[in-house]
Amino acid sequence: AQSVTQLGSHVSVSEGALVLLRCNYSSSVPPYLFWYVQYPNQGLQLLLKYTTGATLVKGINGFEAEFKKSETSFHLTKPSAHMSDAAEYFCAVMGGGNKLTFGTGTQLKVEL
Amino acid sequence: DTEVTQTPKHLVMGMTNKKSLKCEQHMGHRAMYWYKQKAKKPPELMFVYSYEKLSINESVPSRFSPECPNSSLLNLHLHALQPEDSALYLCASSQGPSGSSYEQYFGPGTRLTVT
Repeated sequence: AQSVTQLGSHVSVSEGALVLLRCNYSSSVPPYLFWYVQYPNQGLQLLLKYTTGATLVKGINGFEAEFKKSETSFHLTKPSAHMSDAAEYFCAVMGGGNKLTFGTGTQLKVEL
Repeated sequence: DTEVTQTPKHLVMGMTNKKSLKCEQHMGHRAMYWYKQKAKKPPELMFVYSYEKLSINESVPSRFSPECPNSSLLNLHLHALQPEDSALYLCASSQGPSGSSYEQYFGPGTRLTVT
């Protein structure tokens, strides 16, 4: 069985501040982990993924995430938020099942 | 080119209508997916085609009928829908089959309204 928990359905940061979006997963096997971003009325865009190898993964738009097996976490970070980062972010896991399981999403708001 | 296209962008249909959603990818991907997404919710998997064969049907009502005419195209035929079927319908594709490490690429979606 596999599942994803995203802590905080809404996160608000100031422009230029650190972005931290939390994701914890449950998986019966070593997981593949993904972060997607969705802008209003658009499809999902892949930010980054972890499969094997280096645990710190760098993605597009300055985002990165670190796979921590001991904490079953895959938190998404960006050092400095930009207004254009305002969107819905979904963490997803492929682990032991045959389909992608999404978290409930985190709405990121960036304020001036 | 990592693009998945979907048509139409918006669709309004009555409960007695028959319509189809179309999805296309030219990345040589061998798996294609239909998802349904309600507002403020994550996508919910409906169907998976792997190597042009239906491999997953998530107990979707028969008023939704998928079709994969070839490896680049995926259709979703709609008939006798209910108002609660109104949602954003997303198509996705991946290089390898569902369950693998290959990421899924999503199209922009079709916004469906059932009146």
